[in-house]
Amino acid sequence: GQQLNQSPQSMFIQEGEDVSMNCTSSSIFNTWLWYKQEPGEGPVLLIALYKAGELTSNGRLTAQFGITRKDSFLNISASIPSDVGIYFCAGPEQKVTFGIGTKLQVIP
Amino acid sequence: DTEVTQTPKHLVMGMTNKKSLKCEQHMGHRAMYWYKQKAKKPPELMFVYSYEKLSINESVPSRFSPECPNSSLLNLHLHALQPEDSALYLCASSQKLTGNIQYFGAGTRLSVL
Repeated sequence: GQQLNQSPQSMFIQEGEDVSMNCTSSSIFNTWLWYKQEPGEGPVLLIALYKAGELTSNGRLTAQFGITRKDSFLNISASIPSDVGIYFCAGPEQKVTFGIGTKLQVIP
Repeated sequence: DTEVTQTPKHLVMGMTNKKSLKCEQHMGHRAMYWYKQKAKKPPELMFVYSYEKLSINESVPSRFSPECPNSSLLNLHLHALQPEDSALYLCASSQKLTGNIQYFGAGTRLSVL
């Protein structure tokens, strides 16, 4: 089946710093999704990507769909304390596959 | 409105109890999902319903019994659970089954004693 490798698995950063995380897949995806999950809550969709090479922004978040269709990255600029959470990449084929998650902690 | 509502938010049950988790969406989505999430892990797919019919069962033990009474509702019936079944149970829905964005509820935090 599909496998997603997400890195890094955790990050401690200073408030105001930029953050980058990425996902690679063992197979081609037609759609990449990025979710954020806070403690005790369900994942919330941040960005959806539909075309190879697509670069999409949502406020301070920017994500790109890799040209090979086997990878994607998510950047967060000028991090703030409320960015804390776990970020998951996902490939929503019939059986959606999630990456292991990147746990982000922001030091004020 | 992209809301998926799950009840209850928390549930504590004994190993001999029978309980049910409920999930509701009014987005007209025709695919609904149950996931199990253990601490520090990504969600793991359990069941998928498409047009109110069970489409995928990821070899889930029979002590978990899903039900989709109509296109807006999804239940998960629990019976004779084990302590290792304690987890966050997430419901999600999408417009259709394949390649669509899934919207998640806030989950039910289940503790089995």
